[in-house]
Amino acid sequence: QSVLTQPPSVSAAPGQRVTITCSGGSSNIGSTDVSWYQQVPGTAPKLLIYDNSDRPSGIPDRFSGSKSGTSATLDITGLQTGDEADYYCGTWDYSLNVFLFGGGTEVTVL
Amino acid sequence: VELVESGGDLVQPGGSLRLSCEASGYGSRFSFGNYHMNWVRQAPGKGPEWLAYINPAGDITYYGDSVKGRFTISRDNARYSLYLQMNSLRDEDTAVYYCTKSSFGSGTNWFDPWGQGTLVTVSS
Repeated sequence: QSVLTQPPSVSAAPGQRVTITCSGGSSNIGSTDVSWYQQVPGTAPKLLIYDNSDRPSGIPDRFSGSKSGTSATLDITGLQTGDEADYYCGTWDYSLNVFLFGGGTEVTVL
Repeated sequence: VELVESGGDLVQPGGSLRLSCEASGYGSRFSFGNYHMNWVRQAPGKGPEWLAYINPAGDITYYGDSVKGRFTISRDNARYSLYLQMNSLRDEDTAVYYCTKSSFGSGTNWFDPWGQGTLVTVSS
């Protein structure tokens, strides 16, 4: 059971929107910024969102992030077949003194 | 920045292994000595797990509880390389091991970029 909780899977048709939530607590999400990673099976994780809502260079604006209290959200709009992947949230936990990853959410494009 | 891991192998329980991660490309090598570096692993079918951090000078390290006392992170900036010495390996250490750069040390918020990973299998 991960400290950061994500839904195991979400799905939508091409062109639609999906929202992935990441729920934590006061010692992690409630205390610092969140990042999001995309992982296509068989490849390394790739930074998608950092500091809650910023995108690295090259990441399309179809991907957006936000944070409120002890939860964070990743939105993917205009869903494409290439977006099929596992998505992980991550943040530092000041009680455990470790960086935590969420359990991951599999995105399926119907 | 490009990071390339190596050293993964099949090893028996209780054995040891040393992983390496080299920064490639002129830009990466020029700046490697300024990078905060980490090892993260991912067991089959599981999410990533942060393992260890080392500061640019190599004199400050942090470890996750699952590897503390068994694994040692180190670096050689002159060789643009990061290392993970793994001792007393257990079945549950079987995973793909990634090296990755972080924004800073304790309290870091993100990892980027990541290497391609190297597979460690612990089995008799």
